[in-house]
Amino acid sequence: EADIYQTPRYLVIGTGKKITLECSQTMGHDKMYWYQQDPGMELHLIHYSYGVNSTEKGDLSSESTVSRIRTEHFPLTLESARPSHTSQYLCASSLRGSAYEQYFGPGTRLTVT
Amino acid sequence: DAKTTQPNSMESNEEEPVHLPCNHSTISGTDYIHWYRQLPSQGPEYVIHGLTSNVNNRMASLAIAEDRKSSTLILHRATLRDAAVYYCILKSGSNSGYALNFGKGTSLLVTP
Repeated sequence: EADIYQTPRYLVIGTGKKITLECSQTMGHDKMYWYQQDPGMELHLIHYSYGVNSTEKGDLSSESTVSRIRTEHFPLTLESARPSHTSQYLCASSLRGSAYEQYFGPGTRLTVT
Repeated sequence: DAKTTQPNSMESNEEEPVHLPCNHSTISGTDYIHWYRQLPSQGPEYVIHGLTSNVNNRMASLAIAEDRKSSTLILHRATLRDAAVYYCILKSGSNSGYALNFGKGTSLLVTP
């Protein structure tokens, strides 16, 4: 069982609201990731981090921002939610290197009305 | 990024073995072959990975061709719970922070 948690699991919120999606892992992994997945579509990387104070943008452009102040915590923030942000957001973590698997959280399903 | 090619969908009968193929003809020497699956309404789940040799774990087996240009994920006895999208991914340091480049995967249907 992976020790990676995401809250909330589901969120319905109005346009213009600021939201923060939480992601925490207790495995001591350096690497953390955020992926976005629209229903029935592929997962796309939107942010990643090599470790504390490191954040990078992923392959898919996103209006969200992330921070990494603690190893175990990698929150994602949307300053002003829009209907186009409606999607599933998946957090993952791993040890550094190609030989290590990634562990995924259960995801946050966001709906912006 | 090295790409993989998988069939869009496959179907299997319950309790029969399933062989899920993956082609990766542009694989580099340092790329690891990873397999993940995603059950409906859930996050992806790690299945197995390997570099050159065949690998076995409690979930599946991974058979890697000698030239590493293809691999096969083997589920020894499919159950209804194995119905999912299976992704074959090459994990490399050249990807953004060793991130996984998910394609469309193979949607596996298991029928009773």
